[in-house]
Amino acid sequence: GENVEQHPSTLSVQEGDSAVIKCTYSDSASNYFPWYKQELGKGPQLIIDIRSNVGEKKDQRIAVTLNKTAKHFSLHITETQPEDSAVYFCAASKPGTASKLTFGTGTRLQVTL
Amino acid sequence: KAGVTQTPRYLIKTRGQQVTLSCSPISGHRSVSWYQQTPGQGLQFLFEYFSETQRNKGNFPGRFSGRQFSNSRSEMNVSTLELGDSALYLCASSLEHVNTGELFFGEGSRLTVL
Repeated sequence: GENVEQHPSTLSVQEGDSAVIKCTYSDSASNYFPWYKQELGKGPQLIIDIRSNVGEKKDQRIAVTLNKTAKHFSLHITETQPEDSAVYFCAASKPGTASKLTFGTGTRLQVTL
Repeated sequence: KAGVTQTPRYLIKTRGQQVTLSCSPISGHRSVSWYQQTPGQGLQFLFEYFSETQRNKGNFPGRFSGRQFSNSRSEMNVSTLELGDSALYLCASSLEHVNTGELFFGEGSRLTVL
């Protein structure tokens, strides 16, 4: 089955700096790659997603890039703010199984003042 | 618009008991998925229901089961609880089950097995 690896497990940045989280996936059939943010005591919330026919997608301070050949995708957060502090998960799914996400192990992002 | 509602939020059981967790999806959403979240294994897919039918299943033993009702509400059941079943159980709903799209997660039901 699909396997998603995520790095780093923890990331500490100063406010205003950029943060990058990287994921690799194993199954070349995967075509949907969402990123979720989980705050303490809450369920994961989708922040951005990308599909395999797109190489990059941006939404304000958040961007995701996908390299299908290398089977890896990355989350970029620019101008980080304290409210960006949370655990971030990457995930992957295959066609026809959108709800069956394989998640990475998560990255705890700490944005310090 | 109300979000995904899960009940109960917290519960404590002992080994060997069984538990039922409930999930009310966002109005209009017909797909409900369940995930188990633990510190060691992370987020793992349990199963997905769409129009009262199980459409996908993860790699969990048969002690884990679920169902969906005609109003899209879903329940999951774990029988013969083991210590390792202690986890946060998350329910997520979405509009469709085959198209790639956003999953809306509830806040979860935290199960502790003693």
